[in-house]
Amino acid sequence: DVKVTQSSRYLVKRTGEKVFLECVQDMDHENMFWYRQDPGLGLRLIYFSYDVKMKEKGDIPEGYSVSREKKERFSLILESASTNQTSMYLCASRPGTMADEQYFGPGTRLTVT
Amino acid sequence: GNSVTQMEGPVTLSEEAFLTINCTYTATGYPSLFWYVQYPGEGLQLLLKATKADDKGSNKGFEATYRKETTSFHLEKGSVQVSDSAVYFCALSTGNQFYFGTGTSLTVIP
Repeated sequence: DVKVTQSSRYLVKRTGEKVFLECVQDMDHENMFWYRQDPGLGLRLIYFSYDVKMKEKGDIPEGYSVSREKKERFSLILESASTNQTSMYLCASRPGTMADEQYFGPGTRLTVT
Repeated sequence: GNSVTQMEGPVTLSEEAFLTINCTYTATGYPSLFWYVQYPGEGLQLLLKATKADDKGSNKGFEATYRKETTSFHLEKGSVQVSDSAVYFCALSTGNQFYFGTGTSLTVIP
């Protein structure tokens, strides 16, 4: 079974802190994704990566950055957390073809106070 | 551009009722189509998929048919159970990217 793990299920941070969310997949997938999920808005893509050290902005990249130094790991960084970044963050991975589904981690619920 | 529109929720059904959740899409080219399910407190799980026109995806009693002529991929189940209570997302894939609908919350009452 494909497994996507995220470093924390719940996280509470203060405004202005630098926050790291880690995601690891164990199936040698090419593509990895970060989404945020908010009520009524569904999933919105923050960043994705189709190869090591490669990244592409999604729909809402402002206030976020990413790092992919190794194929299995994709990190989301909140440079200076703000209260409007309180959300559920979902990581996903996927092999390289259009027909393939995404595999999701369990999510990290981040609260910024 | 590419987008997915799915019916607004929430949807509440009695156990053993018939379920339909509508999903239509706009896409360039020939996308792959997916239904995902999210149980409370969890990430999304693939429920079923279809990769070309007229394909039918099915799993756990759910099914959906890829209809190119109506650009639709409606989710159906003949008899829902309490354990089907979850949020359902329709999605399409073109190239590297996925596009998700906003989700439909389903509650099944005994």
